[in-house]
Amino acid sequence: ELKVEQNPLFLSMQEGKNYTIYCNYSTTSDRLYWYRQDPGKSLESLFVLLSNGAVKQEGRLMASLDTKARLSTLHITAAVHDLSATYFCAVDETNNAGNMLTFGGGTRLMVKP
Amino acid sequence: GAVVSQHPSWVICKSGTSVKIECRSLDFQATTMFWYRQFPKQSLMLMATSNEGSKATYEQGVEKDKFLINHASLTLSTLTVTSAHPEDSSFYICSASPGTGPNSPLHFGNGTRLTVT
Repeated sequence: ELKVEQNPLFLSMQEGKNYTIYCNYSTTSDRLYWYRQDPGKSLESLFVLLSNGAVKQEGRLMASLDTKARLSTLHITAAVHDLSATYFCAVDETNNAGNMLTFGGGTRLMVKP
Repeated sequence: GAVVSQHPSWVICKSGTSVKIECRSLDFQATTMFWYRQFPKQSLMLMATSNEGSKATYEQGVEKDKFLINHASLTLSTLTVTSAHPEDSSFYICSASPGTGPNSPLHFGNGTRLTVT
């Protein structure tokens, strides 16, 4: 059974600070997703990481994937209040057979002015 | 624009009644769609895989007779919560993709918030 663990589950940080969210998963997978969810809303796709060593950046967010360590990170640079949301990583356990995702527990990020 | 549409976006129903939620792919065909459930302040949990033209595949612990899934066409899957109870109150989200390969985008619907009173 695939397990996906995120940490921390809750993160309160000041604007302008940097921080990293970690996502560990238990079985081999070549597809890892990061999503943002605002309260009461569905998921907004942030990144899709498809290979070992993949690194993607969008604005103040940067995601990386180490398939050997089964670890992905989401790094926040110089946080701003607008980044406050819950962030989920998700792993595709079926690889080329499906798009069936197992989600991490989520990291609730609160950025304080 | 949204490529996967869910309807309704929210519904309130009385205990014992049934509720149908629709998930449509708007500009692509999807032989497979996925239904997730999210309780407040929790993560998303896969409930079932909806397969066009065949029976849905349910995850362990999900009652197939309670959560009826119909995927009658390549652009529509429906989830019916039968005899709903307050513990079924949750946020239900569907997802679909035009393909299964690593470069196929995965789209989520906007979700349906179900409240059972």
